[in-house]
Formats: sequence, C-alpha cells, structure tokens
Amino acid sequence: AQKVTQAQTEISVVEKEDVTLDCVYETRDTTYYLFWYKQPPSGELVFLIRRNSFDEQNEISGRYSWNFQKSTSSFNFTITASQVVDSAVYFCALSGGYQKVTFGTGTKLQVIP
Amino acid sequence: GAVVSQHPSRVICKSGTSVKIECRSLDFQATTMFWYRQFPKKSLMLMATSNEGSKATYEQGVEKDKFLINHASLTLSTLTVTSAHPEDSSFYICSARDRGFTSGSYNEQFFGPGTRLTVL
Repeated sequence: AQKVTQAQTEISVVEKEDVTLDCVYETRDTTYYLFWYKQPPSGELVFLIRRNSFDEQNEISGRYSWNFQKSTSSFNFTITASQVVDSAVYFCALSGGYQKVTFGTGTKLQVIP
Repeated sequence: GAVVSQHPSRVICKSGTSVKIECRSLDFQATTMFWYRQFPKKSLMLMATSNEGSKATYEQGVEKDKFLINHASLTLSTLTVTSAHPEDSSFYICSARDRGFTSGSYNEQFFGPGTRLTVL
C-alpha cells in the first residue's frame, strides 16, 4: 500500500521568508514517482514537479527547490523568499507500479504581506 | 503541453437529480482516466479508474451505481452522479494518462481543473 504523509497542516510565514514543506512517503514499489502540486483557492491543481525513484538529484526551479532523500523516504519542498502569490494548499503525491496517484493530506501555506 | 478540460466547472442542482461531468483530453489520447473527489479542506481521494472501452474499476467504498463512469472514446470520460444528495457535494477532479508520452515505464498524467458540485 502507498502512503504519503504531510505532517504540517497549516503554515504561516511572513513574505520573503523561506519555508519548507515536508513530505514523507511509503511504498513497496522499487520504481515510483513523486510529485508536488499547488492548489490555489480557485481549486485547480497546478503541477510543480515529478521525480522518479532513481533520480535523487535535488532540483531548483526559480524560488522553488526540492530535496529527495530515499534513505529517509522524504521529498521536501522549499520556497525561497516567499510571496503572497505562493499562498495555496500544496500536495505531495506518489505514483507506483499501478500508476494510481496517492495524495498526501496537503499543507496550507499562508504568506502574510 | 497536454491539456485536460472538465465541464462544467461548477454545477448546482437539486437533490434527487443526476449530474454529468465530462473530462476531455484535448490534445492527446488517454486510454486511462482517473476520477478523484475532494472534500472541503481535505485531500484528493481516488474514486475510480476509467479505461477506454471497458468497465471502470472502483475504489473500495465507492458506490458504482451512484457514480457512473463511461469512457467511450480515447479523449472523453464522463462521471454521472445519480440521484444526487447534499452529501455528494464536493470537488471532482479527473486526470488523464497520455499513452503517447512515456518516460521509462511511466505514462504522464495530467489533471483537469475540477468541477465543483453543490447539491441543494
């Protein structure tokens, strides 16, 4: 069975602060994919990143960065110099052999101006 | 990039009526589509997997007679909420797997924008 845990339910930061969203996963598959999605108040899911289980390189995209560590089954997401537009619910997700996507419970990020 | 649309984006209906939600892959073929449901301030839960030309596979606890899924073509899957009741009010999101985009063993999935259903 697959499981994704996002222990942080809600986080509030002041604009320009850095913030890290935690994600821990469980799977028995040897090949799997990890994702982060952003869901703004409007509701649509915005794809941010996909990572396969064989690629542990960290990735940076503008103010966003991701830290994938298989040893701890974690795939954390950091926003540098947060902005009000970053306010949203962020979901970590996992897709294994059957390609069903299992979502975490989400972390609501509020960036205060 | 691949685009998945959903129609309608919002629907309000009276209790007892049936509502149909469409999920379309606009620029790719999708042999498999997935339907998710999201309760307010909750995560997305997979309801069913829709395969083109065959019956959908429902997750445990999802009533197949309540949530009818039809995947009649490679670009369209429909979810019909039959005899809707207020407890069916939710945000429904579909995703479509692009059979033509394969990275390793993975077929890329793309999510629709969602449909908000309110049953009065």
